[in-house]
Amino acid sequence: DAKTTQPPSMDCAEGRAANLPCNHSTISGNEYVYWYRQIHSQGPQYIIHGLKNNETNEMASLIITEDRKSSTLILPHATLRDTAVYYCIVRVYNAGNNRKLIWGLGTSLAVNP
Amino acid sequence: GAVVSQHPSWVICKSGTSVKIECRSLDFQATTMFWYRQFPKQSLMLMATSNEGSKATYEQGVEKDKFLINHASLTLSTLTVTSAHPEDSSFYICSARDSKGGIYEQYFGPGTRLTVT
Repeated sequence: DAKTTQPPSMDCAEGRAANLPCNHSTISGNEYVYWYRQIHSQGPQYIIHGLKNNETNEMASLIITEDRKSSTLILPHATLRDTAVYYCIVRVYNAGNNRKLIWGLGTSLAVNP
Repeated sequence: GAVVSQHPSWVICKSGTSVKIECRSLDFQATTMFWYRQFPKQSLMLMATSNEGSKATYEQGVEKDKFLINHASLTLSTLTVTSAHPEDSSFYICSARDSKGGIYEQYFGPGTRLTVT
């Protein structure tokens, strides 16, 4: 079962910031939050990940609340090419101490001109 | 950057036949590879995790005799769908983890669209 919940869809105007929320209230102390996106009929693309601190890279920023129960992915200046399904994922350890990603349903982001 | 390829990108086969999908890490060695399945408008579902040189670990509900996984080298894993049926039609995606580590959890391939008629 997915450990994250996201709104099913969001709209954003081109050039504006897109803020995608994610709830992960049952996350454990050693579990990272990962964000991937998937453009239609392609493989997922890594965006960013974090544990406790806010993170920023050339694609996006990740804001994680102090209690780690939720996070927000920020695309600072959305373009039409950012239209995709965005997945907020928790990386867990299974019984064999192997890492795996637990995928939810994601948020379908539509960037409008 | 690290690239994962899949072959074929799409395949159509008849019911009852077997189909093999290849997943290659092109510029890095992957001790661990993953196979996912994705139905239309649904999320990725992990099918199995394969470590080079050992048997794959299948997720609950995935038939290991139907979905044969071989990870014989550090750059190649294959998924064979045996005796395929129309309900096996799906988008199959592999991913690979760089054995040297790094910030990326998994690098994903472009996916293979399987249609069983």
